[in-house]
Amino acid sequence: DTAVSQTPKYLVTQMGNDKSIKCEQNLGHDTMYWYKQDSKKFLKIMFSYNNKELIINETVPNRFSPKSPDKAHLNLHINSLELGDSAVYFCASSSPGQGAAKNIQYFGAGTRLSVL
Amino acid sequence: LAKTTQPISMDSYEGQEVNITCSHNNIATNDYITWYQQFPSQGPRFIIQGYKTKVTNEVASLFIPADRKSSTLSLPRVSLSDTAVYYCLVGAGYSGGGADGLTFGKGTHLIIQP
Repeated sequence: DTAVSQTPKYLVTQMGNDKSIKCEQNLGHDTMYWYKQDSKKFLKIMFSYNNKELIINETVPNRFSPKSPDKAHLNLHINSLELGDSAVYFCASSSPGQGAAKNIQYFGAGTRLSVL
Repeated sequence: LAKTTQPISMDSYEGQEVNITCSHNNIATNDYITWYQQFPSQGPRFIIQGYKTKVTNEVASLFIPADRKSSTLSLPRVSLSDTAVYYCLVGAGYSGGGADGLTFGKGTHLIIQP
């Protein structure tokens, strides 16, 4: 079983469209994240949710709206897509950990979004 | 947030030991040091985490000097499949989902040649 799964793996769409990316984790973690990795491979945190509650919003345009129906799911909805939104989006999850294992993140395989 | 500095790229050969050093001069007392590996078209994968001295697992070793202002990831006897980007992260690992320890930077692109 895949620990963190994202769908779709590839997403090609036109500017101005609205699209969603889904993420599910079966690890029982409390915290989930969305990251964006652009063409320069710089991996940046976008959002973090802890037990369905938004914890981090790192200066992301409000066209991006995460939704967490339960702590195993964190979906990302993007309105009015722009060319600059083209990137790979990664979902991740983590748990607090015990002892030395602090907040280790488990990542999905990524969703490659291409906006034309 | 503690900032990290790593070499942009490194080259080595199969069978060699590779050491990648990460500088984190403003590391805080509660911060842990975590390394991830990322292959093309995949998400980052946890390699190793430490707080001080040395940590070893089946994949790598992590050396942290007493002042904790840097750390070195050591990969023994690398193979072609170790070609990847390696990220060093520093943070307190706050379980509430805080941004601390979530800044990946650009990582080190390690290329292993035959």
